[in-house]
Amino acid sequence: QKEVEQDPGPLSVPEGAIVSLNCTYSNSAFQYFMWYRQYSRKGPELLMYTYSSGNKEDGRFTAQVDKSSKYISLFIRDSQPSDSATYLCAMSGPGRRALTFGSGTRLQVQP
Amino acid sequence: NAGVTQTPKFQVLKTGQSMTLQCAQDMNHNSMYWYRQDPGMGLRLIYYSASEGTTDKGEVPNGYNVSRLNKREFSLRLESAAPSQTSVYFCASSERDTPSEQFFGPGTRLTVL
Repeated sequence: QKEVEQDPGPLSVPEGAIVSLNCTYSNSAFQYFMWYRQYSRKGPELLMYTYSSGNKEDGRFTAQVDKSSKYISLFIRDSQPSDSATYLCAMSGPGRRALTFGSGTRLQVQP
Repeated sequence: NAGVTQTPKFQVLKTGQSMTLQCAQDMNHNSMYWYRQDPGMGLRLIYYSASEGTTDKGEVPNGYNVSRLNKREFSLRLESAAPSQTSVYFCASSERDTPSEQFFGPGTRLTVL
Protein backbone atom coordinates (compact mmCIF):
# COMPACT_ATOMS: atom_id res chain seq x y z
CA GLN A 1 0.00 0.00 0.00
CA LYS A 2 1.29 3.45 -0.91
CA GLU A 3 1.95 5.90 1.91
CA VAL A 4 0.05 8.59 0.03
CA GLU A 5 -3.04 7.92 -2.06
CA GLN A 6 -4.49 10.32 -4.58
CA ASP A 7 -7.28 9.79 -7.09
CA PRO A 8 -5.76 10.18 -10.58
CA GLY A 9 -8.89 11.65 -12.16
CA PRO A 10 -9.35 13.19 -14.60
CA LEU A 11 -11.68 15.58 -12.83
CA SER A 12 -13.65 17.73 -15.27
CA VAL A 13 -15.53 20.80 -14.04
CA PRO A 14 -17.12 23.87 -15.67
CA GLU A 15 -15.45 27.24 -15.36
CA GLY A 16 -16.39 28.97 -12.11
CA ALA A 17 -16.95 25.75 -10.16
CA ILE A 18 -15.42 25.01 -6.77
CA VAL A 19 -12.90 22.20 -7.06
CA SER A 20 -11.97 19.82 -4.25
CA LEU A 21 -8.79 17.77 -4.54
CA ASN A 22 -7.84 15.26 -1.87
CA CYS A 23 -5.11 12.97 -0.57
CA THR A 24 -5.10 10.38 2.15
CA TYR A 25 -2.00 9.13 3.89
CA SER A 26 -1.06 6.35 6.26
CA ASN A 27 1.97 7.72 8.13
CA SER A 28 0.79 9.57 11.24
CA ALA A 29 4.26 11.16 11.59
CA PHE A 30 3.71 13.39 8.56
CA GLN A 31 3.53 17.03 9.67
CA TYR A 32 4.38 19.06 6.58
CA PHE A 33 1.97 19.14 3.69
CA MET A 34 2.31 20.70 0.29
CA TRP A 35 0.37 21.02 -2.94
CA TYR A 36 2.14 21.32 -6.26
CA ARG A 37 0.64 22.20 -9.62
CA GLN A 38 2.14 20.66 -12.74
CA TYR A 39 1.24 21.81 -16.24
CA SER A 40 1.74 19.38 -19.10
CA ARG A 41 5.42 18.82 -19.88
CA LYS A 42 6.54 21.21 -17.12
CA GLY A 43 8.08 20.82 -13.69
CA PRO A 44 5.91 20.93 -10.55
CA GLU A 45 5.46 24.35 -8.93
CA LEU A 46 4.64 24.86 -5.27
CA LEU A 47 1.14 26.16 -4.59
CA MET A 48 0.57 25.74 -0.88
CA TYR A 49 2.60 24.72 2.15
CA THR A 50 1.04 23.96 5.53
CA TYR A 51 2.36 22.66 8.80
CA SER A 52 0.32 20.30 10.99
CA SER A 53 -3.46 20.65 11.04
CA GLY A 54 -5.68 23.53 10.03
CA ASN A 55 -6.47 25.70 7.04
CA LYS A 56 -4.41 28.02 4.91
CA GLU A 57 -5.79 30.37 2.31
CA ASP A 58 -4.05 32.07 -0.59
CA GLY A 59 -6.25 33.86 -3.07
CA ARG A 60 -8.59 31.32 -4.70
CA PHE A 61 -6.77 28.40 -3.08
CA THR A 62 -7.42 26.90 0.36
CA ALA A 63 -5.47 24.00 1.82
CA GLN A 64 -6.92 21.93 4.66
CA VAL A 65 -5.22 19.33 6.80
CA ASP A 66 -7.10 16.89 9.04
CA LYS A 67 -4.44 14.89 10.83
CA SER A 68 -6.97 12.89 12.84
CA SER A 69 -8.37 11.48 9.60
CA LYS A 70 -5.02 11.53 7.75
CA TYR A 71 -6.68 13.53 4.99
CA ILE A 72 -5.66 16.70 3.19
CA SER A 73 -7.59 18.80 0.71
CA LEU A 74 -7.02 21.60 -1.74
CA PHE A 75 -9.99 23.77 -2.70
CA ILE A 76 -9.99 26.00 -5.75
CA ARG A 77 -12.71 28.67 -5.89
CA ASP A 78 -13.95 30.23 -9.11
CA SER A 79 -11.95 27.74 -11.17
CA GLN A 80 -10.48 28.96 -14.46
CA PRO A 81 -9.38 27.11 -17.62
CA SER A 82 -5.83 28.13 -16.66
CA ASP A 83 -6.19 25.93 -13.56
CA SER A 84 -6.23 22.86 -15.83
CA ALA A 85 -3.20 20.88 -14.70
CA THR A 86 -2.16 17.93 -12.57
CA TYR A 87 -2.18 18.60 -8.83
CA LEU A 88 0.27 16.69 -6.67
CA CYS A 89 0.13 16.44 -2.91
CA ALA A 90 3.40 15.97 -1.03
CA MET A 91 4.22 15.47 2.61
CA SER A 92 7.01 14.80 5.05
CA GLY A 93 7.78 14.42 8.72
CA PRO A 94 10.58 14.37 11.30
CA GLY A 95 13.62 12.44 10.21
CA ARG A 96 12.52 12.35 6.61
CA ARG A 97 14.99 13.75 4.14
CA ALA A 98 12.59 13.80 1.21
CA LEU A 99 9.02 14.48 0.28
CA THR A 100 6.57 11.66 -0.37
CA PHE A 101 4.33 12.51 -3.31
CA GLY A 102 0.90 11.38 -4.34
CA SER A 103 0.54 10.25 -7.93
CA GLY A 104 -1.40 13.39 -8.89
CA THR A 105 -4.95 14.31 -9.91
CA ARG A 106 -5.52 15.67 -13.41
CA LEU A 107 -7.98 18.58 -13.43
CA GLN A 108 -9.72 19.93 -16.51
CA VAL A 109 -11.68 23.17 -16.25
CA GLN A 110 -14.02 23.55 -19.22
CA PRO A 111 -14.68 27.10 -20.51
CA ASN B 1 17.00 34.37 -11.62
CA ALA B 2 16.66 31.24 -13.73
CA GLY B 3 15.80 29.06 -10.70
CA VAL B 4 16.57 25.41 -11.43
CA THR B 5 17.83 24.56 -14.90
CA GLN B 6 18.29 21.12 -16.44
CA THR B 7 20.04 19.87 -19.55
CA PRO B 8 19.27 18.26 -21.87
CA LYS B 9 15.50 18.65 -22.29
CA PHE B 10 15.18 15.44 -24.32
CA GLN B 11 17.43 12.43 -24.87
CA VAL B 12 17.14 9.08 -26.62
CA LEU B 13 19.62 6.37 -25.66
CA LYS B 14 20.21 2.81 -26.69
CA THR B 15 20.37 0.11 -24.04
CA GLY B 16 23.82 0.05 -22.48
CA GLN B 17 24.76 3.63 -23.33
CA SER B 18 25.71 6.07 -20.62
CA MET B 19 24.82 9.69 -20.08
CA THR B 20 24.86 12.46 -17.48
CA LEU B 21 21.92 14.72 -16.71
CA GLN B 22 22.95 18.16 -15.54
CA CYS B 23 21.21 20.36 -12.99
CA ALA B 24 22.07 23.81 -11.67
CA GLN B 25 20.33 26.23 -9.32
CA ASP B 26 20.99 29.90 -8.72
CA MET B 27 19.00 30.33 -5.50
CA ASN B 28 21.92 29.56 -3.17
CA HIS B 29 20.06 26.52 -1.89
CA ASN B 30 21.84 23.95 0.23
CA SER B 31 19.87 20.84 -0.70
CA MET B 32 19.31 19.31 -4.12
CA TYR B 33 17.33 16.30 -5.33
CA TRP B 34 16.81 14.03 -8.32
CA TYR B 35 13.38 12.52 -8.95
CA ARG B 36 11.89 10.40 -11.67
CA GLN B 37 8.25 10.63 -12.69
CA ASP B 38 6.45 7.72 -14.28
CA PRO B 39 2.73 7.46 -15.16
CA GLY B 40 0.66 6.50 -12.12
CA MET B 41 3.73 6.47 -9.85
CA GLY B 42 4.09 10.10 -8.91
CA LEU B 43 7.54 11.49 -8.19
CA ARG B 44 10.04 9.08 -6.70
CA LEU B 45 13.30 10.20 -5.16
CA ILE B 46 16.45 8.76 -6.74
CA TYR B 47 19.21 10.58 -4.83
CA TYR B 48 19.54 13.72 -2.82
CA SER B 49 22.26 15.97 -1.48
CA ALA B 50 21.44 17.62 1.83
CA SER B 51 24.43 19.92 1.53
CA GLU B 52 27.53 20.42 -0.57
CA GLY B 53 29.80 17.39 -0.23
CA THR B 54 27.12 14.91 0.82
CA THR B 55 24.86 12.60 -1.17
CA ASP B 56 22.39 9.93 -0.08
CA LYS B 57 20.23 7.31 -1.73
CA GLY B 58 16.54 7.82 -2.11
CA GLU B 59 13.75 5.40 -2.89
CA VAL B 60 14.97 4.17 -6.31
CA PRO B 61 18.78 4.58 -6.57
CA ASN B 62 19.70 1.42 -8.48
CA GLY B 63 21.33 2.09 -11.84
CA TYR B 64 22.18 5.71 -11.02
CA ASN B 65 25.06 7.68 -9.57
CA VAL B 66 25.24 11.33 -8.59
CA SER B 67 27.81 14.04 -8.07
CA ARG B 68 27.37 17.24 -6.11
CA LEU B 69 29.94 19.21 -8.05
CA ASN B 70 29.58 22.38 -5.97
CA LYS B 71 26.77 24.20 -4.20
CA ARG B 72 25.07 25.07 -7.50
CA GLU B 73 25.34 21.85 -9.49
CA PHE B 74 24.09 18.30 -8.98
CA SER B 75 24.44 15.76 -11.79
CA LEU B 76 22.82 12.37 -12.32
CA ARG B 77 24.63 9.65 -14.26
CA LEU B 78 23.27 6.54 -15.90
CA GLU B 79 26.24 4.21 -16.43
CA SER B 80 24.47 1.58 -18.53
CA ALA B 81 20.99 2.68 -19.51
CA ALA B 82 18.10 0.20 -19.45
CA PRO B 83 14.59 0.51 -20.93
CA SER B 84 13.23 0.59 -17.34
CA GLN B 85 14.98 3.96 -16.95
CA THR B 86 12.74 5.54 -19.58
CA SER B 87 11.13 8.34 -17.59
CA VAL B 88 10.97 12.06 -16.98
CA TYR B 89 13.71 13.22 -14.62
CA PHE B 90 13.31 16.26 -12.42
CA CYS B 91 15.92 18.06 -10.40
CA ALA B 92 14.82 20.11 -7.39
CA SER B 93 16.44 22.28 -4.76
CA SER B 94 15.50 23.62 -1.36
CA GLU B 95 17.00 26.12 1.02
CA ARG B 96 17.65 23.39 3.54
CA ASP B 97 16.75 19.80 4.24
CA THR B 98 13.15 18.67 3.99
CA PRO B 99 10.61 19.82 4.96
CA SER B 100 11.66 23.02 3.32
CA GLU B 101 9.79 23.78 0.10
CA GLN B 102 11.36 22.27 -3.00
CA PHE B 103 11.63 24.09 -6.31
CA PHE B 104 11.71 22.03 -9.49
CA GLY B 105 13.42 22.30 -12.84
CA PRO B 106 11.62 21.77 -16.17
CA GLY B 107 12.62 18.13 -16.49
CA THR B 108 14.51 15.86 -18.91
CA ARG B 109 12.54 13.37 -20.98
CA LEU B 110 14.66 10.26 -21.42
CA THR B 111 13.83 7.33 -23.67
CA VAL B 112 15.94 4.19 -23.59
CA LEU B 113 15.44 1.90 -26.58
